[in-house]
Amino acid sequence: RKEVEQDPGPFNVPEGATVAFNCTYSNSASQSFFWYRQDCRKEPKLLMSVYSSGNEDGRFTAQLNRASQYISLLIRDSKLSDSATYLCVVKRNTGGFKTIFGAGTRLFVKA
Amino acid sequence: EAGVVQSPRYKIIEKKQPVAFWCNPISGHNTLYWYLQNLGQGPELLIRYENEEAVDDSQLPKDRFSAERLKGVDSTLKIQPAELGDSAVYLCASSTVGRNEQFFGPGTRLTVL
Repeated sequence: RKEVEQDPGPFNVPEGATVAFNCTYSNSASQSFFWYRQDCRKEPKLLMSVYSSGNEDGRFTAQLNRASQYISLLIRDSKLSDSATYLCVVKRNTGGFKTIFGAGTRLFVKA
Repeated sequence: EAGVVQSPRYKIIEKKQPVAFWCNPISGHNTLYWYLQNLGQGPELLIRYENEEAVDDSQLPKDRFSAERLKGVDSTLKIQPAELGDSAVYLCASSTVGRNEQFFGPGTRLTVL
């Protein structure tokens, strides 16, 4: 079992839809959590950090449930430009910092 | 501000040949990472440098992979000899102390024939 697991998708949604991605992590020592976005054949870029209280950035909302070791990303009013792979990222400090990337969830937003 | 620079962008070699990738991180970023990304997977860490010190190379296949960051700035990742299974995108990233965000370069797409 991988340390960070995501539903690979793909998620195919129409413009304007709301879509949610889930991510689970297995190491309870994980401290920091992020969502990165990766466009096709491009490099990953930070989308947002995930805070314990939950946080929102425009149409994007991230949630963290430490008890269930679960992270989510909600995208409202999907745009064509949201089509990308969304990578769940976990950072832990067990004998040194380590950043673990999930395999990513692919999203296709259709007109 | 210039981003992370990597070269070459693409490389095609035959198996058993050597290959080297170069990375120039964002100015002032003391932490440098090399990742390997296979199709449909997330980046997997090969090595992490804090300045010129390799602080995590536990996932680097040391029988054929080597890396250096001699002056704590640019870095080179080498594979010798390359195998078919090494075909992947090699990403370099950098970050600065106290900041979680990693900035990635465009990557080098390696094809081993």
